Amino acid sequence: AQSVAQPEDQVNVAEGNPLTVKCTYSVSGNPYLFWYVQYPNRGLQFLLKYITGDNLVKGSYGFEAEFNKSQTSFHLKKPSALVSDSALYFCAVRSGYSSASKIIFGSGTRLSIRP
Amino acid sequence: GAGVSQSPSNKVTEKGKDVELRCDPISGHTALYWYRQSLGQGLEFLIYFQGNSAPDKSGLPSDRFSAERTGGSVSTLTIQRTQQEDSAVYLCASSLRITEAFFGQGTRLTVV
Repeated sequence: AQSVAQPEDQVNVAEGNPLTVKCTYSVSGNPYLFWYVQYPNRGLQFLLKYITGDNLVKGSYGFEAEFNKSQTSFHLKKPSALVSDSALYFCAVRSGYSSASKIIFGSGTRLSIRP
Repeated sequence: GAGVSQSPSNKVTEKGKDVELRCDPISGHTALYWYRQSLGQGLEFLIYFQGNSAPDKSGLPSDRFSAERTGGSVSTLTIQRTQQEDSAVYLCASSLRITEAFFGQGTRLTVV
C-alpha cells in the first residue's frame, strides 16, 4: 500500500531564511512524487513533480524538491522564504507501477513565514 | 472550460437528505479523483476513475457514498442519508493518465 508522511504539522521560518518541508513516502515500484500548495479558502495548486531524471526538481514560485531514493524522501525547499509563502503544503505519491494507481496525499504541513 | 469545475460551490442540507455533487474535469483528462477535506485537515481519498477501468472505490467511507462517471467525462458523487460527520469540502481533480492532478475549487458541504 502507498503512504505519505509529513512529520511536521507546522514549520515556522523567518522571512529571507531558507525553508524545508519534509516528506517521506512508501510505494510499490518507482514513485511519482508531487507537491501542492493550498492558500486559505482556495483550491490546491500544483507546485512540482518528480517522475524520473534529475533528483533535484524545480517548480513554481522558486520552490524546489530533492528526491532521495535511499531515504525515500522528497523534501520541499526554498532558498529564501517570503511572507506570501505562508500556506498549507501537501506532499503526494502514486506508484509508477500501474496507471491504476491513485494519488495519496500526506496530512499537510502549515508553513508560517514571519516578517 | 480551462480548469476543473465543481458545482455547487456551497451546499447546506438537512441531516438525512441525499446530496449530489458534480465535477466537470479538464477536457481530455482520462483520470478523475474525489477527495474529502475536513476543516484545515489533510485530503482523504474517496474514489478514482481511470479511463474504462473499474473505479478504485477503496476510500469510500460507507455504502451511503457512491460515484459515477458518465461517458468518461462528468462525474457525480452522491451521499445518501447525510450525517453531520459528512460535513467537509469535497474536492475533485483530473489528470492525464499518470501525471499530476489538477483540482477544482471544491464543494463545501454543511449538514445541519
